[in-house]
Amino acid sequence: EPEVTQTPSHQVTQMGQEVILRCVPISNHLYFYWYRQILGQKVEFLVSFYNNEISEKSEIFDDQFSVERPDGSNFTLKIRSTKLEDSAMYFCASSEASYSNQPQHFGDGTRLSIL
Amino acid sequence: GQQVMQIPQYQHVQEGEDFTTYCNSSTTLSNIQWYKQRPGGHPVFLIQLVKSGEVKKQKRLTFQFGEAKKNSSLHITATQTTDVGTYFCAGRGSGYSTLTFGKGTMLLVSP
Repeated sequence: EPEVTQTPSHQVTQMGQEVILRCVPISNHLYFYWYRQILGQKVEFLVSFYNNEISEKSEIFDDQFSVERPDGSNFTLKIRSTKLEDSAMYFCASSEASYSNQPQHFGDGTRLSIL
Repeated sequence: GQQVMQIPQYQHVQEGEDFTTYCNSSTTLSNIQWYKQRPGGHPVFLIQLVKSGEVKKQKRLTFQFGEAKKNSSLHITATQTTDVGTYFCAGRGSGYSTLTFGKGTMLLVSP
């Protein structure tokens, strides 16, 4: 079964540094998402992306965050100047064309640790 | 904004006992999805409910969507140790496309 893949599985970064989290969505999916899950807490929506532009974003997704689809397969989340509170698991997800009623398929996540 | 509340936060049962988690939305939902997250894992889609009053079953799991499309439940009959994990509901409001997740119910099953 096709999967969403994320790299790296764990990223340790100094506060103030930039990080890029990478995702390869399922190949025939057109809608992509990033979520954040702080340890022991709920999954929080960050941003959705379709047709090379952001569809929706949450309050969490402020100016320090950006997303990009640099080529036909990768979908990246960049955090420009990391803060301690950015430490969390970041999940990428994708869904098929009509995403409002489609299940989202999650990757295994990247654990981001800010020191 | 839309809020999705889920109770209980945690439940510990003996294997063979039943389990139910409840989800309530502050607004009417267009649909609701349920996900399971194993410890250390990622959310895995279980099911989606769209119609008012809809009931769907997957083996020992029964999912319900309320008549007003503001609440939902997941019931597991005769739990097994493989049911361990956190169960999240995720609702999408009318006119919204974002999925709002509940805080999840962590289920622990003792043999």
